[in-house]
Amino acid sequence: GAGVSQSPSNKVTEKGKDVELRCDPISGHTALYWYRQSLGQGLEFLIYFQGNSAPDKSGLPSDRFSAERTGGSVSTLTIQRTQQEDSAVYLCASSWGDAKNSPLHFGNGTRLTVT
Amino acid sequence: GENVEQHPSTLSVQEGDSAVIKCTYSDSASNYFPWYKQELGKGPQLIIDIRSNVGEKKDQRIAVTLNKTAKHFSLHITETQPEDSAVYFCARSGGSNYKLTFGKGTLLTVNP
Repeated sequence: GAGVSQSPSNKVTEKGKDVELRCDPISGHTALYWYRQSLGQGLEFLIYFQGNSAPDKSGLPSDRFSAERTGGSVSTLTIQRTQQEDSAVYLCASSWGDAKNSPLHFGNGTRLTVT
Repeated sequence: GENVEQHPSTLSVQEGDSAVIKCTYSDSASNYFPWYKQELGKGPQLIIDIRSNVGEKKDQRIAVTLNKTAKHFSLHITETQPEDSAVYFCARSGGSNYKLTFGKGTLLTVNP
């Protein structure tokens, strides 16, 4: 079946502009995660959704970052007033339970470049 | 805390040799330990996982071992092939939160 889909695959934006990144999880998966991966680095947790609620937002680096999930499905990560240090690959993952009891399935990410 | 240390950061082997990657964790409440493989331009893909009530798990050429007392777990790849070349990440979850914490990755290169 279809995996996790992320769009766009690449995004180049100017410093100070807002961007929206979209994630379509696997159908039926209730948990959704956003991670950030900087060049040559590991995966940095941003936010966790269970259904439409976000019980853990502890990884969002600043108030310029926000995310929402609607209908228990699609999620959008929004970065306002982008900065150069926001340049990274943003990965979305979904699972049928949560990370303590079910594997995460990742999309191929959105590569964000802030110029 | 929840940190995971992964070693080595790079590993180069000859085709047919074995490769071993090791990770250590500090949170004794950790109970789930997956390994992911990431190829260039793609998202991480789960290759094997183990839970804390099991000491070893094998799937064809890949095996994972867990030592709960020492708080470390390892990935073993036997009879390596060029297509095994990728970045491998270990991870852990458990305790009071619902997130997966990753190591910094190991770049494995299998030379033909």
